[in-house]
Amino acid sequence: DAGITQSPRHKVTETGTPVTLRCHQTENHRYMYWYRQDPGHGLRLIHYSYGVKDTDKGEVSDGYSVSRSKTEDFLLTLESATSSQTSVYFCAIGQGLGYSYGYTFGSGTRLTVV
Amino acid sequence: DQQVKQNSPSLSVQEGRISILNCDYTNSMFDYFLWYKKYPAEGPTFLISISSIKDKNEDGRFTVFLNKSAKHLSLHIVPSQPGDSAVYFCAASEDRGGSNYKLTFGKGTLLTVNP
Repeated sequence: DAGITQSPRHKVTETGTPVTLRCHQTENHRYMYWYRQDPGHGLRLIHYSYGVKDTDKGEVSDGYSVSRSKTEDFLLTLESATSSQTSVYFCAIGQGLGYSYGYTFGSGTRLTVV
Repeated sequence: DQQVKQNSPSLSVQEGRISILNCDYTNSMFDYFLWYKKYPAEGPTFLISISSIKDKNEDGRFTVFLNKSAKHLSLHIVPSQPGDSAVYFCAASEDRGGSNYKLTFGKGTLLTVNP
């Protein structure tokens, strides 16, 4: 078990409010990622981090910011939530998987913006 | 521009038969490919991977085939079981390790295995 936890699991928020989602890992992995999953779009990368204070944008980063002040925590902030940001958000860590590498995902946060 | 394409949104097969899920890619720099399985209300879980130096990788009932010249890979599940019903994502990367762990995912294929 990779020890990756997302919180909250579910959230309903109002348009225009800021929202922060948290991803916590217990195994000191360097690489962490935020994805969103939407019907017809699959998994799309929002932001990723390759170390403390080192982050970069993914393909759908507009309206989102991230922070990583500690190795174990990667925060995703919706600065002013919009209905188009209603989605399921997944955090992932990059790690070795047997003889390979890949991502291990958290259980997801279902966010509804009303 | 979609670099990883799963053109079949859904697939339905009978229990015991073979399931074949397909994936095409456009980026010739991709050299490592993975399949993930996702159940409702859970995160995707790693299933199987293949490096571009191979054309086949097997793990139990799951086999992934890679055709580099066609930029095509497929996942075979034999025999299919009802518990295999899930969304399957194909993913690709330009780098097996080092400094670039970014994976690009397809849109997914919903597999339904009927008893």
